Amino acid sequence: GAVVSQHPSRVICKSGTSVKIECRSLDFQATTMFWYRQFPKQSLMLMATSNEGSKATYEQGVEKDKFLINHASLTLSTLTVTSAHPEDSSFYICSARGGTVFVQPQHFGDGTRLSIL
Amino acid sequence: GENVEQHPSTLSVQEGDSAVIKCTYSDSASNYFPWYKQELGKGPQLIIDIRSNVGEKKDQRIAVTLNKTAKHFSLHITETQPEDSAVYFCAARGGAQKLVFGQGTRLTINP
Repeated sequence: GAVVSQHPSRVICKSGTSVKIECRSLDFQATTMFWYRQFPKQSLMLMATSNEGSKATYEQGVEKDKFLINHASLTLSTLTVTSAHPEDSSFYICSARGGTVFVQPQHFGDGTRLSIL
Repeated sequence: GENVEQHPSTLSVQEGDSAVIKCTYSDSASNYFPWYKQELGKGPQLIIDIRSNVGEKKDQRIAVTLNKTAKHFSLHITETQPEDSAVYFCAARGGAQKLVFGQGTRLTINP
């Protein structure tokens, strides 16, 4: 089945550091990728949607200068948390969807646990 | 926009019994309804999905039903096993082409 690989799985770093998270679709071309944030015992909150080669579309309340998204190829998207602070600590999950027809299944990576000290 | 409500928030069943989780949605334009299973520390895994042109879909012990008129859909797990214990999320995708998730159901299978 479709596989989405996300790295790293866990990051611990000091406040002020920028952190890059990679998301790859391993066996399909991801025309659209999504980035979510999940707080403990809560549902997934969509942060942004990106189409390959286009600028990401951010959800209301998500700072685009804080969370930089790049979707340069059909198999790779990156999320960079710039100048991270303790309040940015969370579980970040990427997701990918293939095809140009919109009703394609969306598959998720295994998430990145980000801890800012 | 779309709003998805999921119930119950927690569900505990005896091994071998059935479990049912229900979701309602608000956007009549929604046409795709996936269910995800999320284990601790991992990302959501797609377990079954249904499109609006069918009313029921089954895959071994898992089935999903959709009632478009009432705008609700349900996940049914039969012959539950301990490995079914996880958090389950329903979602709906409509005109905005984005998945809107329910609040999740923590399912516990008691041996």
